[in-house]
Amino acid sequence: DIQMTQSPSSLSASVGDRVTITCRASQTISTYLNWYQQKPGKAPKVLIYGATSLQSGVPSRFSGSESGPDFTLTISSLQPEDFATYYCQQTFYTPPTFGQGTKVEIK
Amino acid sequence: QVQLQESGPGLVKPSETLSLTCTVSGGSITNNYWSWIRQPAGKGLEWIGRIYSSGNTNYNPSLMSRVTMSVDTSKNQFSLNLTSVTAADTAVYFCARVMPGMVKTTSRAFNVWGPGTMVTVSS
Repeated sequence: DIQMTQSPSSLSASVGDRVTITCRASQTISTYLNWYQQKPGKAPKVLIYGATSLQSGVPSRFSGSESGPDFTLTISSLQPEDFATYYCQQTFYTPPTFGQGTKVEIK
Repeated sequence: QVQLQESGPGLVKPSETLSLTCTVSGGSITNNYWSWIRQPAGKGLEWIGRIYSSGNTNYNPSLMSRVTMSVDTSKNQFSLNLTSVTAADTAVYFCARVMPGMVKTTSRAFNVWGPGTMVTVSS
């Protein structure tokens, strides 16, 4: 299976901070990379698909980018409702696999 | 808009079969891929498999020997059976829709999820 490595595993940030989360695949996955947000007790919600496309209804402070083997999720100005766990997912290979998650906590 | 709802027993005995159903409302189950994903408490997400509305399936190789998925288009439902369960199968089980459209564009993202159902394997 393709291993997805996210960094950091957790971070503490303040409202208004710029936050970046990185994901790297163990093999090339083209742009078949998605980002999800999950809040406690809830299902994940897709934020970014195809590495850079913003899902309809998701605030524009979320963005995705790709640079070589690394994929990045950026929150330009962290809001109170953004404190959650974020997962990357590759879908280039079967089975699709997820990163281990990055928990964003309040500083 | 499309909504999903998982249903099934919350408690299954070891060695027995876990059976869940996902009901699709607000849209048709046809011409779409549908998936099951699970998440043990405090852990990450694991893809179990997917089924197309025609009945074609793909399973996670790690579970393939124990998984069967089926679809009932007349009821707008799809189902998961997982046999010979152990405590390691205890998790929240989610059903989800694969984003429709060209794969190169959608990246097969899961754009609609059910709320999830907790399944505990215990005697």
